[in-house]
Amino acid sequence: GENVEQHPSTLSVQEGDSAVIKCTYSDSASNYFPWYKQELGKGPQLIIDIRSNVGEKKDQRIAVTLNKTAKHFSLHITETQPEDSAVYFCAARDRAGANNLFFGTGTRLTVIP
Amino acid sequence: DTGVSQNPRHKITKRGQNVTFRCDPISEHNRLYWYRQTLGQGPEFLTYFQNEAQLEKSRLLSDRFSAERPKGSFSTLEIQRTEQGDSAMYLCASGPANSPLHFGNGTRLTVT
Repeated sequence: GENVEQHPSTLSVQEGDSAVIKCTYSDSASNYFPWYKQELGKGPQLIIDIRSNVGEKKDQRIAVTLNKTAKHFSLHITETQPEDSAVYFCAARDRAGANNLFFGTGTRLTVIP
Repeated sequence: DTGVSQNPRHKITKRGQNVTFRCDPISEHNRLYWYRQTLGQGPEFLTYFQNEAQLEKSRLLSDRFSAERPKGSFSTLEIQRTEQGDSAMYLCASGPANSPLHFGNGTRLTVT
């Protein structure tokens, strides 16, 4: 099955700086890569996703890039704010029409005011 | 949008007891998933339903676990003869085919 690795496990940035989280996946057939934000006591919330036919996607301060050749994808958060502090998970779906997502181990982001 | 609803939010039980959790997905979503999340880890897939049919089960889902979705709407996850290793957050998610998954806020199980 798919194996997703995520780095770093913790990340601290000053408010206003950028944050970058990186993930790699093992199955070249994977075609869908969502990112989730999880706050304490809550379930994961989808913040952005990208499909394998696209190299980059942006939504306001959040962007995701995908390199299919290298099998890695990254989350970029610009102009970070304290409310961005949370645990972020990347995930991969290993084939078209597959029924489940494989998640990374998470990155705890702390934005220091 | 009422979102995915899970009950109870917390459950404390003694080892050996049976527990049952409920998930109410977003109404128009025909796919429903159960995941388990332990501290410091990402969610791990347990099982998946399309309407009332259980189409896939993970090897993590031992014989003590059973899930149902009798009418293709809400789902239940039962754990029999609970063990301390079952302590985790149990997450439910729903979505249409080939679309993003929407997660509930989970049921946190503690087995003492």
